[in-house]
Amino acid sequence: EDQVTQSPEALRLQEGESSSLNCSYTVSGLRGLFWYRQDPGKGPEFLFTLYSAGEEKEKERLKATLTKKESFLHITAPKPEDSATYLCAVQASTGANSKLTFGKGITLSVRP
Amino acid sequence: NAGVTQTPKFRVLKTGQSMTLLCAQDMNHEYMYWYRQDPGMGLRLIHYSVGEGTTAKGEVPDGYNVSRLKKQNFLLGLESAAPSQTSVYFCASSALRGSYEQYFGPGTRLTVT
Repeated sequence: EDQVTQSPEALRLQEGESSSLNCSYTVSGLRGLFWYRQDPGKGPEFLFTLYSAGEEKEKERLKATLTKKESFLHITAPKPEDSATYLCAVQASTGANSKLTFGKGITLSVRP
Repeated sequence: NAGVTQTPKFRVLKTGQSMTLLCAQDMNHEYMYWYRQDPGMGLRLIHYSVGEGTTAKGEVPDGYNVSRLKKQNFLLGLESAAPSQTSVYFCASSALRGSYEQYFGPGTRLTVT
């Protein structure tokens, strides 16, 4: 059974204080690992897809990396508008239906 | 291009009542999904569809039914609502090929009393 564990559950940062969010996973062959951002009262918004160990992707202050067992979402010099819940999900390479298994999310608060 | 839309946004039901949630997407995606999101549980897949006229069970299908009569629409039905179905429901869609990311709607907050 595919599993995704995210840590910590919640993270409070001061504006400008860089940090990383962790996503550990077990999957029967990885097709892709996905990061989403979710603001309160809204649907998840797609950020990145990573496909193989060693791959990195960046978007503004966010950088996602991938190893064979985990992914990190690095946040550099965060701003209050980066406050949100960040979701990680994996898709197995077996099966043809593109189902995602999600972690429970990490709630990030950035204080001005 | 509206992406994925869901109606209604909010609904309150009494135990035993029925209702249908509507999801529509204008991206010509083949795959569509229904999730529920509960505090501390994350997103859990209820049912999904890999194309018009097809549906399949996800992780938590009991108490729900779905239909996909048109490619752009995916309906989620509750025949006899229970308090345990109080949740936020999200619809998502993805393309048949490519990077497989799913695009989500804004959600429906359902309360069953």
